[in-house]
Amino acid sequence: DAGVTQSPTHLIKTRGQQVTLRCSPKSGHDTVSWYQQALGQGPQFIFQYYEEEERQRGNFPDRFSGHQFPNYSSELNVNALLLGDSALYLCASSGGTDTQYFGPGTRLTVL
Amino acid sequence: KQEVTQIPAALSVPEGENLVLNCSFTDSAIYNLQWFRQDPGKGLTSLLLIQSSQREQTSGRLNASLDKSSGRSTLYIAASQPGDSATYLCAVQLPSGTYKYIFGTGTRLKVLA
Repeated sequence: DAGVTQSPTHLIKTRGQQVTLRCSPKSGHDTVSWYQQALGQGPQFIFQYYEEEERQRGNFPDRFSGHQFPNYSSELNVNALLLGDSALYLCASSGGTDTQYFGPGTRLTVL
Repeated sequence: KQEVTQIPAALSVPEGENLVLNCSFTDSAIYNLQWFRQDPGKGLTSLLLIQSSQREQTSGRLNASLDKSSGRSTLYIAASQPGDSATYLCAVQLPSGTYKYIFGTGTRLKVLA
């Protein structure tokens, strides 16, 4: 079992650009949650996807959007990047109400 | 609204010491509590998971306790080593809805050789 995987590992973008991050859940898991961890802070919940729909969103602007595919993998898209979007983005998967398992994260740097 | 606090924010100890990291949460209704380790610039490594019905979990030199009624958890590290230097994050999982995690801001631990 490969566990939760994320790609890419690192990413550098400039202000105003758009970025797409990808997540493959742990085998057997159908729910994907995304978190943002700014430097020196704990991770913050962005949103969760289940059955290809956004189930709940945290306090993040509409520039943050996502998608879940039929195979349960997920993408996080961020438009009009700001310097403040620089962070570690974590994906977590679960089997509905089970414990969430976290991936290694994608480090996004916005210049 | 669930909030998680970790004290102290930073800790520096000599090698070999036993130490305790503290985590408190405001709402006792949780699904589980998890302790993570995070090395600089890296992702999260799960250390111990305590279900809401459990009181403690142990793994090697690590022991985590949970007291839901008082909204507290402690992570005990025995015989600390320089390799234990990292940030330790505590997170509680909500018991319903998205079952999302609420994280503390972590304790930065440095173990001196």
